[in-house]
Amino acid sequence: SAVISQKPSRDICQRGTSLTIQCQVDSQVTMMFWYRQQPGQSLTLIATANQGSEATYESGFVIDKFPISRPNLTFSTLTVSNMSPEDSSIYLCSVAGTTYNEQFFGPGTRLTVL
Amino acid sequence: AQSVTQPDIHITVSEGASLELRCNYSYGATPYLFWYVQSPGQGLQLLLKYFSGDTLVQGIKGFEAEFKRSQSSFNLRKPSVHWSDAAEYFCAVGAREYGNKLVFGAGTILRVKS
Repeated sequence: SAVISQKPSRDICQRGTSLTIQCQVDSQVTMMFWYRQQPGQSLTLIATANQGSEATYESGFVIDKFPISRPNLTFSTLTVSNMSPEDSSIYLCSVAGTTYNEQFFGPGTRLTVL
Repeated sequence: AQSVTQPDIHITVSEGASLELRCNYSYGATPYLFWYVQSPGQGLQLLLKYFSGDTLVQGIKGFEAEFKRSQSSFNLRKPSVHWSDAAEYFCAVGAREYGNKLVFGAGTILRVKS
C-alpha cells in the first residue's frame, strides 16, 4: 500500500482566513480523494482529484470554498477558504489502490477554526 | 441511494472476550466491502476487504468478516479482543457502477475494559 503524508498535522486558524493542506504520496497514483470528518461524525467525500483535470466535487461542496490542486501524480492540495468555526474538522486525503474501490488514507489534518 | 448502517454507536467488551461489529448496506449493485479502523488522532487503516469469492475474509490484527448477501451484511468479528483494539471502526461500501467512491457508515466506537 502507498505511504501517504499530510501537512500540517493540525492547525488552529482564525475565522475568515484560508488554510492549504498538502497530501504527498510515495508512489504515483491516478485518483486521490479528499474527505471531511466533522467532530464525532463519519467521513464525507469532498471531491475526487485526478491529475490533469478539474476536481469533481460532491453535492454540498463547491470549488470556491474548497479549491483543489493536483499538479502531478504524487501530490495534491486542498484549500479551506474563508473559514468559519463550522469548518473545524479532520481533513483526510486518500488514494485509490490497485483493486476494486480500495483506498488508503493519510493521517489527517485536524483543523480548528476560532 | 447507497447507504451503510452501523447500528451500534458504542460497544464495550472485556479484554479477551469475543467481538462482533455490525454493518448493513443498501446498494443497487454488487458491493465491494471494507472495514477500516481509526485510532485516536490517526488516519484510517484498512483492516480487510471483500470483493468476491469466499464470503469469510481474513484481515490484519486477527480480524475477520463475513459477507452475507441475503442479509446485506458484512459483520466484523474477532475471537479475543485486546486492549489495543480500542478504536473507532468504520464499514465502507463501494461498487464499480459508482466509480471509485466509497460510502462510509457512521462508525462504531469500541471500548475495551480490563
